[in-house]
Amino acid sequence: QSALTQPASVSGSPGQSITISCTGTSSDIGSYNLVSWYQHHPGKAPKLMIYEGTKRPSGVSNRFSGSKSGNTASLTISGLRAEDEADYYCCSSAGTYVFGTGTKVTVL
Amino acid sequence: EVQLVESGGGVVRPGGSLRLSCEASGFTFEDYVMSWVRQAPGKGLEWVSGIYWNGASTGYADSVKGRFTISRDNAKNSLYLQMNSLRAEDTALYHCARRYGSTGELDHWGQGTLVTVSS
Repeated sequence: QSALTQPASVSGSPGQSITISCTGTSSDIGSYNLVSWYQHHPGKAPKLMIYEGTKRPSGVSNRFSGSKSGNTASLTISGLRAEDEADYYCCSSAGTYVFGTGTKVTVL
Repeated sequence: EVQLVESGGGVVRPGGSLRLSCEASGFTFEDYVMSWVRQAPGKGLEWVSGIYWNGASTGYADSVKGRFTISRDNAKNSLYLQMNSLRAEDTALYHCARRYGSTGELDHWGQGTLVTVSS
């Protein structure tokens, strides 16, 4: 199964909002609400930020939110902060796990 | 506190073998489905393999099927990945991860152990 498609990079200034898209197909994102999002600082353990498309685990800032429309899921980071600079991956768990291509978020 | 600590990585020649371990603590290991996920240099995350609670059911990515074997020892709170017939493209940081619920999200990850396949 092919990787989900994400933009390679997204940037924003502190305080701004950014949105990362994650495009799949009608067989994965389009049919199931099984999308999760992970924040990954290189060399560290990835961190779960969003699950089931829109839910936030305990301890994750409410500045992070998820949504879905058709075959595309999205992660929005509002009130961008320097510590949000990291790689972000979406993932579909409809069947085996399929990760997105990854997006590098840069805080200008 | 949930902790997952991987070990066993190293440098190995093409065609060689390596066994990775992941020691779990801070939770009831036997209650959780576990996975291995890797990241090759400069690449994204790739799910490698997963195993159900009692080890009776396992799954593999096509890229490793027939070469890698996942297993667990619930008495030792440990997850393993036996990697045979290693190829250069298996070079990656290997993370173990815990599946939280029935919807599949991976809620805790280890920092990973590095496998380098090179002659």
